[in-house]
Amino acid sequence: DTEVTQTPKHLVMGMTNKKSLKCEQHMGHRAMYWYKQKAKKPPELMFVYSYEKLSINESVPSRFSPECPNSSLLNLHLHALQPEDSALYLCASSRGQAIYEQYFGPGTRLTVT
Amino acid sequence: DAKTTQPNSMESNEEEPVHLPCNHSTISGTDYIHWYRQLPSQGPEYVIHGLTSNVNNRMASLAIAEDRKSSTLILHRATLRDAAVYYCILPTNAGKSTFGDGTTLTVKP
Repeated sequence: DTEVTQTPKHLVMGMTNKKSLKCEQHMGHRAMYWYKQKAKKPPELMFVYSYEKLSINESVPSRFSPECPNSSLLNLHLHALQPEDSALYLCASSRGQAIYEQYFGPGTRLTVT
Repeated sequence: DAKTTQPNSMESNEEEPVHLPCNHSTISGTDYIHWYRQLPSQGPEYVIHGLTSNVNNRMASLAIAEDRKSSTLILHRATLRDAAVYYCILPTNAGKSTFGDGTTLTVKP
């Protein structure tokens, strides 16, 4: 199974809502990633988890809160987002946090109204 | 972190080979070269990676210059399904992958 799954596929939320994005992999990978991708732009790294510990935070605003409850799951909690946060949020995993290839999920399309 | 430079766009005819170049003149001796592609409405997909020697897999070949300052992704017979944005990346040892703007490949029937 080389699949990374993400739920939901689409999410529309107001600026005062709290919502969460979920990512799951069953490949035994120990590194997991969140990326943000705006339309017609490349993915931008947000967070990296290695062995369930936050390893890299690319100066992401605190309204985005990542969580890695176990080695297979990665969540992104969203609160008080702005319309400019509307984007495709991609999750990825890899064997380790180094030079290993990353496997990406299909993403969650987020719209903030 | 070392940067990569790719042409914005390239065109190919179906069933012909495609050579996608990437310049990485500031690459360090331990940097691996990774290629991903992103088809429309999908997440990026790993294609191939290498360090010094040329590499082949079922999807593509990677040719790395002797001085490692450039590399070329080779699709041997382009199909319409190969139309995508192709990214050349040098991941750091800390696992940080910085995606540049990539090359948009158009395949004409």
